[in-house]
Amino acid sequence: AQTVTQSQPEMSVQEAETVTLSCTYDTSESDYYLFWYKQPPSRQMILVIRQEAYKQQNATENRFSVNFQKAAKSFSLKISDSQLGDAAMYFCAYSGGSNYKLTFGKGTLLTVNP
Amino acid sequence: SAVISQKPSRDICQRGTSLTIQCQVDSQVTMMFWYRQQPGQSLTLIATANQGSEATYESGFVIDKFPISRPNLTFSTLTVSNMSPEDSSIYLCSVMTGTDTQYFGPGTRLTVL
Repeated sequence: AQTVTQSQPEMSVQEAETVTLSCTYDTSESDYYLFWYKQPPSRQMILVIRQEAYKQQNATENRFSVNFQKAAKSFSLKISDSQLGDAAMYFCAYSGGSNYKLTFGKGTLLTVNP
Repeated sequence: SAVISQKPSRDICQRGTSLTIQCQVDSQVTMMFWYRQQPGQSLTLIATANQGSEATYESGFVIDKFPISRPNLTFSTLTVSNMSPEDSSIYLCSVMTGTDTQYFGPGTRLTVL
């Protein structure tokens, strides 16, 4: 079974600084997708960034980028120029195989200090 | 991405009763899912809602407890039956577009007394 591990229950960053959230996963599939979702106190799950495993190039979305290491099964999220609105719970998620099920990590609570 | 709405947004229910949660999408989507997020926890998939056929349930979830309907490509319901306080959670629907990416509705916060 696929598993997703987020080893940092909580992280904090100063406004305008950079922070990296860690995620590792375990799978026997060769073709899969990885995601980072953000959940602010409003509880809405918001897609932050998506990575296809067959693509070697790391995905980027404005201030958000990933470091995807397929051999190491590592998928970290870097947030640059952190803003107060980035404060939220961040979930790493995996999807692979034919059923498209998302398997989530336990989440990392990010605090942004002014 | 699709616009997804859920009703109700929150509810407080008595144990032993049932609640039906609706999920509406503004465009036709191939796949819809229902997840549960227990307090302070991550999300767990309950089932895949299949249009025109029975839902596909994950291990630990059964149709008698969580009946699901999906009459068309834009709408699905999840019923939480015979509720107990352990069912207090956020219930979220998600839809998958052609990009193999799931987008989530705003969630329904359920409290069972």
